[in-house]
Amino acid sequence: GALVYQYPRRTICKSGTSMRMECQAVGFQATSVAWYRQSPQKTFELIALSTVNSAIKYEQNFTQEKFPISHPNLSFSSMTVLNAYLEDRGLYLCGAREGTYEQYFGPGTRLTVL
Amino acid sequence: GEKVEQHESTLSVREGDSAVINCTYTDTASSYFPWYKQEAGKSLHFVIDIRSNVDRKQSQRLTVLLDKKAKRFSLHITATQPEDSAIYFCAASADSNYQLIWGSGTKLIIKP
Repeated sequence: GALVYQYPRRTICKSGTSMRMECQAVGFQATSVAWYRQSPQKTFELIALSTVNSAIKYEQNFTQEKFPISHPNLSFSSMTVLNAYLEDRGLYLCGAREGTYEQYFGPGTRLTVL
Repeated sequence: GEKVEQHESTLSVREGDSAVINCTYTDTASSYFPWYKQEAGKSLHFVIDIRSNVDRKQSQRLTVLLDKKAKRFSLHITATQPEDSAIYFCAASADSNYQLIWGSGTKLIIKP
């Protein structure tokens, strides 16, 4: 079956430092990977959508400079939160799709910023 | 930009009754409509989806209805159970677009 793994599951970083999170698709080809953030104050927000062989599209309020994303192949993507601050806290979800089939979600990386 | 609206932020029903969650969309090119469930503290899990070539799809206690004219789709859950309690998100995308546009979620509470 199709699965999406994310690691780490939980991480704590000091304010102003950076942390990298990874997403791995198993059992299907992740032609697109969407990164989302779910924070206590806000609902589910799309950060960016990465489609293999296309430029990564960032949503308003999110930038490549702050959330650089790599999507080098059809099974892997990573995103870094640079210079993390309190407002970056939350659950970061990776959703991967093969073509226009259903999007499979990983369990998320929960980021705490001290 | 394109929007998907989920009208009920919270829905409370008695165990055993039916629940209906409604969504509307703005993009006439939308052709794929999935539903996801998120239990407390967990990630999203795919529940059911429907494509625009049909107007109804059923899977056990779940039915999705699609009204393309009204640009509306809905999730119907029959014989609700405590484990149905969760936040339900609807989404829409066009065939040519990999991006899903999400609703804001409906918290479904199943009362004993």
